[in-house]
Amino acid sequence: EPEVTQTPSHQVTQMGQEVILRCVPISNHLYFYWYRQILGQKVEFLVSFYNNEISEKSEIFDDQFSVERPDGSNFTLKIRSTKLEDSAMYFCASSDLAGRFGNEQFFGPGTRLTVL
Amino acid sequence: QKEVEQNSGPLSVPEGAIASLNCTYSDRVSQSFFWYRQYSGKSPELIMSIYSNGDKEDGRFTAQLNKASQYVSLLIRDSQPSDSATYLCAVNPTNTDKLIFGTGTRLQVFP
Repeated sequence: EPEVTQTPSHQVTQMGQEVILRCVPISNHLYFYWYRQILGQKVEFLVSFYNNEISEKSEIFDDQFSVERPDGSNFTLKIRSTKLEDSAMYFCASSDLAGRFGNEQFFGPGTRLTVL
Repeated sequence: QKEVEQNSGPLSVPEGAIASLNCTYSDRVSQSFFWYRQYSGKSPELIMSIYSNGDKEDGRFTAQLNKASQYVSLLIRDSQPSDSATYLCAVNPTNTDKLIFGTGTRLQVFP
């Protein structure tokens, strides 16, 4: 069964460093997403991406964040200068729906980011 | 601010019983609703989606939607200890791509 994959599973970094989180969405999916979940809190939307551009982003997704689809399979989230409060689980998700109704999103296993 | 509300629990049910999980949402025009299961330390796993008023059944799971009351629920029949997890309600508001999640209800099924 196709699934979303993410690497690394755990990333430890120093405050102020740049990190890149990587995702391989399900191969025939068209919509890609990043969410985060701070320990003990709810899953929060960061950004959605379709047709090689951002389609929607949240208030959390400020200038420190960027996303890219560098090739036909990978989807990345970059945090330019990490802060302590960026420590969280980051989930990539993908959807095959060419439209917004019935938008079933399938999540990857997540990357645990720890900022020291 | 669009919100999704869930009772955090824990909801404790004996093995074999029906577990009933509830969720309310604030955006009246939302059209798509989802239930995810999340085991501790793992990612959300999609278990049900529902778009129309009424019931939708899939195996031991039944999702119920009442748009007039802005209420969606999940019933788990014949609950098993392996169903013990946090159940997340998620709503896709109209004209957006994102899912808005509730805080989740922790379900404990005891033998």
